[in-house]
Amino acid sequence: QQPVQSPQAVILREGEDAVINCSSSKALYSVHWYRQKHGEAPVFLMILLKGGEQKGHEKISASFNEKKQQSSLYLTASQLSYSGTYFCGTETGTYKYIFGTGTRLKVLA
Amino acid sequence: GAVVSQHPSWVICKSGTSVKIECRSLDFQATTMFWYRQFPKQSLMLMATSNEGSKATYEQGVEKDKFLINHASLTLSTLTVTSAHPEDSSFYICSAVTGNTQYFGPGTRLTVL
Repeated sequence: QQPVQSPQAVILREGEDAVINCSSSKALYSVHWYRQKHGEAPVFLMILLKGGEQKGHEKISASFNEKKQQSSLYLTASQLSYSGTYFCGTETGTYKYIFGTGTRLKVLA
Repeated sequence: GAVVSQHPSWVICKSGTSVKIECRSLDFQATTMFWYRQFPKQSLMLMATSNEGSKATYEQGVEKDKFLINHASLTLSTLTVTSAHPEDSSFYICSAVTGNTQYFGPGTRLTVL
């Protein structure tokens, strides 16, 4: 089953924060986050390999709650360049991934 | 990060023709590559897993005779869409894994008229 992301879409002003959630009905062994710009391939943001792990790069961070089978992506002080569609991905087998439903993010000036 | 390329970037073809899409890992070897399809405003859906030197593994609902995959070397996998129809029009993306990270090619937009 495909992980469900929420919200489906969000519009922000520059400088505002956002949280994107990813929930799975199956156990998550790892979570990957990607951002995709229109007409382009997804770009890897980060991977969380174990429950309780939190990671961040500049103003984008993520957490992984293994027990709840959830992960969240946090965008702080959003910039125009953050606009795009965000996907979580989970590994179902050796290097086999299922992607979440996606969250469209639009940052306005 | 690692680089994966795809060729062509876009292709327009007539219904009934076949189209080949190449996926290359430029700076690493990949025994396994993946092919995804993405329809507008939808998520990526895994079509098949391409294994170097052996047959590809197709996901349920993907016709293996229609989407031919060949992984002839450690750096090249090809996807051939045979007898393409308008409903095959989509964004096709390949990926390869090195370390724990999946790297995507830039994608190929296929339009079948």
